[in-house]
Amino acid sequence: TQLLEQSPQFLSIQEGENLTVYCNSSSVFSSLQWYRQEPGEGPVLLVTVVTGGEVKKLKRLTFQFGDARKDSSLHITAAQPGDTGLYLCAGARGVTGGGNKLTFGTGTQLKVEL
Amino acid sequence: ETGVTQSPTHLIKTRGQQVTLRCSSQSGHNTVSWYQQALGQGPQFIFQYYREEENGRGNFPPRFSGLQFPNYSSELNVNALELDDSALYLCASSLGRSSSYNEQFFGPGTRLTVL
Repeated sequence: TQLLEQSPQFLSIQEGENLTVYCNSSSVFSSLQWYRQEPGEGPVLLVTVVTGGEVKKLKRLTFQFGDARKDSSLHITAAQPGDTGLYLCAGARGVTGGGNKLTFGTGTQLKVEL
Repeated sequence: ETGVTQSPTHLIKTRGQQVTLRCSSQSGHNTVSWYQQALGQGPQFIFQYYREEENGRGNFPPRFSGLQFPNYSSELNVNALELDDSALYLCASSLGRSSSYNEQFFGPGTRLTVL
């Protein structure tokens, strides 16, 4: 069962365009992280949001955590070919045993063309 | 600061065999989590180790087992391999047992192919 749904699943845009990726869930998470993954590599952490309503900016990337901590969005301004990759959202929640696991979204494959 | 490393990078096995994958956590991190990522999907949580003990487990059968060593490195063992076990296996390290600010840092992964 996929608890985090991302949309769109695929996105192909031209350099300079803006885009938004959505990450939605019916569950509350203690924090939410966004990763970017290149083919054949592990996910690279972009940002962690913890507080409902929180907004974080990383250069041209803006991340927002929903007020109820169930959803998040990633907005990229003036996309560049270097932004190409698989974007994954991941919610943190506790597990039996005291640990903390990440539940990943379905992923958004972004391709930015010249 | 040394990042998360995994070995081997690629591995080919046949059905029924056993495999061991290895992970060295980031310097200063004491918690290791393992994930399975099938092609075109997001990673799925297998289990987590904290100070050499299993600290949580996802929906994977017992033939998936693990170890964590005193230096916080870790192994993932899979017995009786099945075709569906073909995937990218990711190791992630973090600091602390449980935190709402649980940032996990991933290694490059081991690509396992089961024939």
